[in-house]
Amino acid sequence: GENVEQHPSTLSVQEGDSAVIKCTYSDSASNYFPWYKQELGKRPQLIIDIRSNVGEKKDQRIAVTLNKTAKHFSLHITETQPEDSAVYFCAASRWDSNYQLIWGAGTKLIIKP
Amino acid sequence: EAQVTQNPRYLITVTGKKLTVTCSQNMNHEYMSWYRQDPGLGLRQIYYSMNVEVTDKGDVPEGYKVSRKEKRNFPLILESPSPNQTSLYFCASSTGTSGEPYEQYFGPGTRLTVT
Repeated sequence: GENVEQHPSTLSVQEGDSAVIKCTYSDSASNYFPWYKQELGKRPQLIIDIRSNVGEKKDQRIAVTLNKTAKHFSLHITETQPEDSAVYFCAASRWDSNYQLIWGAGTKLIIKP
Repeated sequence: EAQVTQNPRYLITVTGKKLTVTCSQNMNHEYMSWYRQDPGLGLRQIYYSMNVEVTDKGDVPEGYKVSRKEKRNFPLILESPSPNQTSLYFCASSTGTSGEPYEQYFGPGTRLTVT
């Protein structure tokens, strides 16, 4: 079955700098890759997602890139702000045949003032 | 307001005392799921349901039961809770079973402690 590994487990960056979180997946048939953000004490919420027919997707300061050959995808946050501090989860699934999301273990992002 | 609700939000119980955590969504979603979240392990799926009367095991189903008698409700049942089921539980729902990939909407979470 699918396995998703996420790195790093903790990431500390200076406010205004960029942050990159990486995930690798094992099932080459996976075709949907969402990223969720979980602020302290709150529920996870979708921030961006990408399908396997797209290499990159951007939404303001957030972008996700996908490398199908290497089976990895990354979340990029530019010009980080204090409100970006949270735990970020990646996930993978074969959305057209299996509706189960397989999740990474999460990355705690700390934005230093 | 579109939402997923869970009750109770906090629960402390003793080993072996049956409990039910309720989950309800008002978005007419077909897909519902239960996760547990433990430090360092991320979100692990317990059970999911594609529609009424259709349920299936996730990654960690042992010790849990679910039912889906109505589209809006998906209760999680612990028949005989044990301390290793102490965790933060999330219910989620999505439009999921056809068409486009889906966003999962999460409930507020239920923090369960089993002593």
